[in-house]
Amino acid sequence: LAKTTQPISMDSYEGQEVNITCSHNNIATNDYITWYQQFPSQGPRFIIQGYKTKVTNEVASLFIPADRKSSTLSLPRVSLSDTAVYYCLVGGDNYGQNFVFGPGTRLSVLP
Amino acid sequence: KAGVTQTPRYLIKTRGQQVTLSCSPISGHRSVSWYQQTPGQGLQFLFEYFSETQRNKGNFPGRFSGRQFSNSRSEMNVSTLELGDSALYLCASKLGISGTDEAQYFGPGTRLTVT
Repeated sequence: LAKTTQPISMDSYEGQEVNITCSHNNIATNDYITWYQQFPSQGPRFIIQGYKTKVTNEVASLFIPADRKSSTLSLPRVSLSDTAVYYCLVGGDNYGQNFVFGPGTRLSVLP
Repeated sequence: KAGVTQTPRYLIKTRGQQVTLSCSPISGHRSVSWYQQTPGQGLQFLFEYFSETQRNKGNFPGRFSGRQFSNSRSEMNVSTLELGDSALYLCASKLGISGTDEAQYFGPGTRLTVT
């Protein structure tokens, strides 16, 4: 299982772009990279998933370099409601691998 | 499409009792995983069920068990509750298509308090 490393916390201001980077040096060939957002006392919410290059959806972008040893979640123009913990997850295919969540990145958006 | 539902949402039990939590996955999803979340240990994987079979298990004592029914609904049971079992228990589902890496979708969780 690929272990992930993220910053423990980050601060930002409303309207700014936030980039959270995750390191996963031993990512396997078949592994995807998935990001989740979690608010207190709620289940994690799927944000975005990618395999390589760049993926964009209505809420975020995911940048993955060619060597796939890291990935960056980009949140454009954050608001106070984006204050949450963000988890980067690698692997977890359908052959019985369990997901291993790291401590995540606690993002605080300030007014 | 309805999301993952978990019942009950909140539960208070006494040490030594047992508890059963229920999870209904997203329609069509055949894989259900359970996680325990505590402030000290974070999100920890308990087990995963697919087509009524447990196919992976985390590092938890035998007091934690689960099962999955033919309609993919799942239950987890904790026997002989301890104070340290107080946590948010999360259920997540995914399609379970072999050979693909799908994202899991989480329910709102069951908050268990053991007194």
